[in-house]
Amino acid sequence: GESVGLHLPTLSVQEGDNSIINCAYSNSASDYFIWYKQESGKGPQFIIDIRSNMDKRQGQRVTVLLNKTVKHLSLQIAATQPGDSAVYFCAENKNDMRFGAGTRLTVKP
Amino acid sequence: EADIYQTPRYLVIGTGKKITLECSQTMGHDKMYWYQQDPGMELHLIHYSYGVNSTEKGDLSSESTVSRIRTEHFPLTLESARPSHTSQYLCASSVGGGPYEQFFGPGTRLTVL
Repeated sequence: GESVGLHLPTLSVQEGDNSIINCAYSNSASDYFIWYKQESGKGPQFIIDIRSNMDKRQGQRVTVLLNKTVKHLSLQIAATQPGDSAVYFCAENKNDMRFGAGTRLTVKP
Repeated sequence: EADIYQTPRYLVIGTGKKITLECSQTMGHDKMYWYQQDPGMELHLIHYSYGVNSTEKGDLSSESTVSRIRTEHFPLTLESARPSHTSQYLCASSVGGGPYEQFFGPGTRLTVL
């Protein structure tokens, strides 16, 4: 069946380094993708989105890359900070939004 | 911060109790959603609504029910809580049409003893 999933359940990076969080999706008809950040005890918070007619989108310190050929989505965080520590979810949408399992990012000082 | 609110934030109750988890949004969004999430795990859609008097079941089978009498309000009810219902419940909303991002509330952490 169709699914959204993340390659790694945990990621640990040094403060100041760049982080890359990956996501695989299998519904080639999905046309909208979102990255969410969820801190402990809070609901998911929107980070950045991208539509299927694009392959790259940049925000403040974050970049999302979409590779439709291999159905892969990534989130790049530049100069990772302790406040970036959280669980990151990708979500894909065709008729409904479907979320992956999440990657826990830990930033070491 | 999104204008979507959930109460209570934490709830500990005994088995067999009836509970209602409240969700309200002040953004005028047509679409609202309830998700169930175990800590650090993926979100499972249990109910959604595309507008007033519209409610649908999500992918994850749930013994809960929902209602949508007003645009801004989307409560979730468990008639008889069981320990298996222990989880975090997240409410979200989005504008109609779309697809567009969903805005999430802070969640209700439910523990059933």
